[in-house]
Amino acid sequence: DAMVIQNPRYQVTQFGKPVTLSCSQTLNHNVMYWYQQKSSQAPKLLFHYYDKDFNNEADTPDNFQSRRPNTSFCFLDIRSPGLGDAAMYLCATSRDGYPYEQYFGPGTRLTVT
Amino acid sequence: QKEVEQDPGPLSVPEGAIVSLNCTYSNSAFQYFMWYRQYSRKGPELLMYTYSSGNKEDGRFTAQVDKSSKYISLFIRDSQPSDSATYLCATFTGGGNKLTFGTGTQLKVEL
Repeated sequence: DAMVIQNPRYQVTQFGKPVTLSCSQTLNHNVMYWYQQKSSQAPKLLFHYYDKDFNNEADTPDNFQSRRPNTSFCFLDIRSPGLGDAAMYLCATSRDGYPYEQYFGPGTRLTVT
Repeated sequence: QKEVEQDPGPLSVPEGAIVSLNCTYSNSAFQYFMWYRQYSRKGPELLMYTYSSGNKEDGRFTAQVDKSSKYISLFIRDSQPSDSATYLCATFTGGGNKLTFGTGTQLKVEL
C-alpha cells in the first residue's frame, strides 16, 4: 500500500541536543509538509517542499530546518530542542495542485528532557 | 480571533446516534473545506472535502458547507465505537499550499 512513513515513532532527546526526524513516502507526491501538533491544538505548518523548492512559514523558528534529498524522503532537523518543542511532528504529502488532499504519516512524538 | 473555530468537546454519544460536528470560519476567501479524522497518537486521515457550498455524502458521513454563514458541518449516521476519534475541520483558499485547521472535536461513541 502506498503510504507515508515516519521514523522513529517516539523520540526522546535532551534539552539542546540536535535531533532529526525522518519521513518517507511511496505515493510519489511532489509536495511534502512538516507540521507541529501540540496536545489539543491544531496542526501548525512549519514548512513545505514543492519538489525541491523549500517554503518556510514566517513564524517557524530558525531552530527548525528541513532537507529533502529526493522525492521520497524529507527530514526535519531541530538544532537545539527546547522544552517547548515537545510535540507530535507530522509529515504529510499531496499531489501538485491538490493541497486539500493531504496524506499524513503516523507522526513522531518528541519528548525533550 | 482564530480563522477556524471548533468546539473541542469532548462529545459523548451512544452507539447508533447521529453525530453533528461543526466549525465556523472567518475568512470568506476559503473555497475548500475538509474533514480529517485523527485517532489517538496517529496522524490525521482525510475523510472528505467539499468545494464551495453544498453537501457531499460518503457512506455514513455527510459534509455540509454554508458559505453564507461561514459554517461547516460533518454528520455521522449510525455512529460506531470505531468512530471515536478527534475530528479536525480544515479550510483552504485555493491558492498556495497552506491549510488552516481547527483544533478538533473529540468524539466518543459509547456502547
